[in-house]
Amino acid sequence: GAVVSQHPSRVICKSGTSVKIECRSLDFQATTMFWYRQFPKKSLMLMATSNEGSKATYEQGVEKDKFLINHASLTLSTLTVTSAHPEDSSFYICSAQDRGSTDTQYFGPGTRLTVL
Amino acid sequence: GENVEQHPSTLSVQEGDSAVIKCTYSDSASNYFPWYKQELGKGSQLIIDIRSNVGEKKDQRIAVTLNKTAKHFSLHITETQPEDSAVYFCAARTGANNLFFGTGTRLTVIP
Repeated sequence: GAVVSQHPSRVICKSGTSVKIECRSLDFQATTMFWYRQFPKKSLMLMATSNEGSKATYEQGVEKDKFLINHASLTLSTLTVTSAHPEDSSFYICSAQDRGSTDTQYFGPGTRLTVL
Repeated sequence: GENVEQHPSTLSVQEGDSAVIKCTYSDSASNYFPWYKQELGKGSQLIIDIRSNVGEKKDQRIAVTLNKTAKHFSLHITETQPEDSAVYFCAARTGANNLFFGTGTRLTVIP
């Protein structure tokens, strides 16, 4: 089946630093990738949608200058959390949509970010 | 926008019994309803999905039903096994690709 990887799986950083999270589709091409954030005991919240070669579309309330998304190729999207603060600590999950599918999103295993 | 509600938040069943998780949605234009199983360290896996032109779909021990009039859909797991223990999320999609998720159900199957 389709596999999506995320790296790193876990990261701890100091307040004020930037952290980059990678999302890769390993065995398929993804024209569209999605970034979600999951709070403890809460649902997944869509942050932004990124299409290969174009600017990401951010959901209301998500700061585009703080959460930089780049989707440079059909198999890679990156999320950079800039000037991280403790409140950015969360579980970040990406998903990728197979260019041959209209519906199915395959999720990565997630990245646990802790900002000290 | 779409609002998806999911119940119950936690569910414990004896091994071999059935488990049912229910979701409601608000946007009648939603046309795709996937269910995801989230296990620690494995991310969220699509286990079954249903489209708005179908009322029921089965895949071995898992089935999903959709009632468009009432705007609710349910996940049914029969003959539950300990490995079914996980957090399950329902979702609904309206038009574009965005998925709106329910709040999750933690299912525990007691051996």
